[in-house]
Amino acid sequence: AQSVTQPDIHITVSEGASLELRCNYSYGATPYLFWYVQSPGQGLQLLLKYFSGDTLVQGIKGFEAEFKRSQSSFNLRKPSVHWSDAAEYFCAVGAKGRVSGGSYIPTFGRGTSLIVHP
Amino acid sequence: GAVVSQHPSWVICKSGTSVKIECRSLDFQATTMFWYRQFPKQSLMLMATSNEGSKATYEQGVEKDKFLINHASLTLSTLTVTSAHPEDSSFYICSATTEDRDLREQYFGPGTRLTVT
Repeated sequence: AQSVTQPDIHITVSEGASLELRCNYSYGATPYLFWYVQSPGQGLQLLLKYFSGDTLVQGIKGFEAEFKRSQSSFNLRKPSVHWSDAAEYFCAVGAKGRVSGGSYIPTFGRGTSLIVHP
Repeated sequence: GAVVSQHPSWVICKSGTSVKIECRSLDFQATTMFWYRQFPKQSLMLMATSNEGSKATYEQGVEKDKFLINHASLTLSTLTVTSAHPEDSSFYICSATTEDRDLREQYFGPGTRLTVT
């Protein structure tokens, strides 16, 4: 079974500083990887996803993530954080072994709360 | 495109009553709909998946008789919390996939905040 680890519960950065949120997964084959952002009281918004191909993935809002098979990681990065980026970030992995009606069921990490100081 | 709505966005009910939450795919037909529960500062916990016209598949530990899921059409799924208790208070999020796009990707609703008093 697949699993996702987000080792940092909280990350605090200053506005304008760079950001990296860590995500490690456990799965035997190539997984499908996602990063979502959740603002307080809101649903999840997809930032980016990796299915195959180029291991450096560009997303919305200036975010990018790199799939590193050797490290089983899919870390999220942003070169310059804005105050509006403060939110909860979830990494998720989908895999062929967990499917319902043809749809893949993702496993979510516990989330990393991003705090941005002015 | 691929918008999912939920109604209501928040609801307060008294202990012992039932409450229904709707999840609609607004601009696509949903192949599968998913219901998640999220406690404060925690991750999403999958409760069940449902396909149109079929019985929902519940995750281990989720009470089927308490959380009734009806997937009556390709655009609507409902979650009914029966005989609600304060411990059922939570944030409920639905999502959907569609054969019109990539079944590996889910589209999430905005969530429903349930408070049981």
